[in-house]
Amino acid sequence: NAGVTQTPKFRILKIGQSMTLQCTQDMNHNYMYWYRQDPGMGLKLIYYSVGAGITDKGEVPNGYNVSRSTTEDFPLRLELAAPSQTSVYFCASSFTGGQQYNSPLHFGNGTRLTVT
Amino acid sequence: QQQVKQSPQSLIVQKGGIPIINCAYENTAFDYFPWYQQFPGKGPALLIAIRPDVSEKKEGRFTISFNKSAKQFSLHIMDSQPGDSATYFCAASIGNYGQNFVFGPGTRLSVLP
Repeated sequence: NAGVTQTPKFRILKIGQSMTLQCTQDMNHNYMYWYRQDPGMGLKLIYYSVGAGITDKGEVPNGYNVSRSTTEDFPLRLELAAPSQTSVYFCASSFTGGQQYNSPLHFGNGTRLTVT
Repeated sequence: QQQVKQSPQSLIVQKGGIPIINCAYENTAFDYFPWYQQFPGKGPALLIAIRPDVSEKKEGRFTISFNKSAKQFSLHIMDSQPGDSATYFCAASIGNYGQNFVFGPGTRLSVLP
């Protein structure tokens, strides 16, 4: 049972380059999320999805795009990388149903991105 | 009103000590208060959570104390061990929906052997 898998683990981008952070989960969770983690700032929500074909903005969506064509996959796209996007990115998933208070967020191990 | 304050920023205790991490919130609509534990190089993982209808919840060596009137909650780790060394995040949410979570900035705990 792999849980939430993120690739790559590390990446260095030059300003203006683009890339896609991959996220896949094998728990058949309906909800998926992208967070960024900056030192001393906690986790900030970038985008989330409540099911295939449905996405919505979180607190810090500028500079990012997402898609959700399948239940399993939720890639995050950076179109024009900027130094402010240097961060650790976490994908998470959860099952939100009748017992929602018993369903924790399951996080991947993160992608550390540096934009120079 | 959406902020969750967390203190201290870092904490060092001896093995067997009882570290306490405190969080405070403003939004009285929050009804779910989880704590997440994160080891270096890993994603956060749910440690323990509480809802406002109880004042305390214990799971093993971990206890959440909740003070609804003060809008504060705290994590206590009994008989702390070096393996508890990690970063701890409190959060508050309306329902257990990730898009509603407001995370604290985190506390880095070191338990010395």
